[in-house]
Amino acid sequence: DIQLTQSPSSLSASVGDRVTITCQASQDIGNSLNWYQQKPGKAPKLLIYDASILETGVSSRFSGSRSGTDFTLTISRLQPGDIATYYCQQYDNLPPYTFGQGTKLEIK
Amino acid sequence: EVQLVESGGGLIQPGGSLRLSCAASGFSFRSYWMHWVRQAPGKGLEWVSHINSDGSIRRYADSVKGRFTISRDNAKNTLYLQVNSLRAEDTAVYYCAGPYSGTLGYWGQGTLVIVSS
Repeated sequence: DIQLTQSPSSLSASVGDRVTITCQASQDIGNSLNWYQQKPGKAPKLLIYDASILETGVSSRFSGSRSGTDFTLTISRLQPGDIATYYCQQYDNLPPYTFGQGTKLEIK
Repeated sequence: EVQLVESGGGLIQPGGSLRLSCAASGFSFRSYWMHWVRQAPGKGLEWVSHINSDGSIRRYADSVKGRFTISRDNAKNTLYLQVNSLRAEDTAVYYCAGPYSGTLGYWGQGTLVIVSS
């Protein structure tokens, strides 16, 4: 099975900061990676699909990129409403469609 | 507006069974893949199972294979998960999600399953 290593596991940043979360796949998955945001007590929300495509309605402050098996979610100009846990998820070839361990983002 | 509404969760003894349901509306349910994803209390997300639009393809995580069965009724716009031989480690919020084979743009609010004696 494909493993995803997400880092950091937690992150504290200030309003207005640029935040970066990374996700490393254990093998080549092409662009088959999504990013989700989950606020406390809520269902996850799709932010980015196919590594870098912004889901409709999601703020342009969110962006995704890929370099080989390394993927990055960037949040520019951090806002209080961005407080959440962020997950990457791969869907290369056949299941299981594994998720990363999550990154809990807090405001300083 | 897309809506996915799960039901059927509850407190169940180890070894017991439940059928979870997910009622879909606001999109062409019969045309899309659907999934179940679970989240144990305080833990991360775990993909459980998915089913294609006509039910001919069903896949499962190794942790539930042989115990859980995914199905759908396109006439009723409803997704199901039959969960048997439940274990303590199956305790989780179960989300239904869709609409693509690997990308989950639609999510329900979840239903909680607690396995405990």
